[in-house]
Amino acid sequence: EAAVTQSPRNKVTVTGGNVTLSCRQTNSHNYMYWYRQDTGHGLRLIHYSYGAGNLQIGDVPDGYKATRTTQEDFFLLLELASPSQTSLYFCASSASTGRQNTLYFGAGTRLSVL
Amino acid sequence: SQWGEENLQALSIQEGEDVTMNCSYKTYTTVVQWYRQKSGKGPAQLILIRSNEREKRSGRLRATLDTSSQSSSLSITGTLATDTAVYFCATDNYAQGLTFGLGTRVSVFP
Repeated sequence: EAAVTQSPRNKVTVTGGNVTLSCRQTNSHNYMYWYRQDTGHGLRLIHYSYGAGNLQIGDVPDGYKATRTTQEDFFLLLELASPSQTSLYFCASSASTGRQNTLYFGAGTRLSVL
Repeated sequence: SQWGEENLQALSIQEGEDVTMNCSYKTYTTVVQWYRQKSGKGPAQLILIRSNEREKRSGRLRATLDTSSQSSSLSITGTLATDTAVYFCATDNYAQGLTFGLGTRVSVFP
């Protein structure tokens, strides 16, 4: 079964702080995604990547950077965190993209920006 | 139904009852996926249905897809307390993975 591991599981930072969320998948999947989940908005795509060194912009990219260092590792960076970025963040991977591909999600990172 | 600007739907039922949740989507698609998210976990795919299938079953789950009305439904028969979760429908945003609906929260009480 697909395995996607996120760390940390919980993070608290202050406004203006620097945060890095990590994601590792062990399924040799090409595609990796970062979503945020908020009440009233559901899951929204921040960034995604189709391979090491590649980065694509999602629907809500403002205030976020991301980097895909290897096929396995995808990082989400908040360089000047703001309270509006308090959210539950999910990483996901898939073998390919498109309507028939299954996304495998990690367990999530809960971020609080005070 | 979930999608667009609607709020998260919530359903409370007793164990053993059947439940159906609906999803309407805005852009044409020939595939809808349903995901379930349990408390403290990430979403996990339950079922994928294609337009040429109209209906698909997997255990106690039954999904339908009507491309003419751009809607899909997911039914669970004989619910268990372990079915308590948020259920999402998802369609493709081809260049950007999947787009998820707002979800339906199902609470099953013993």
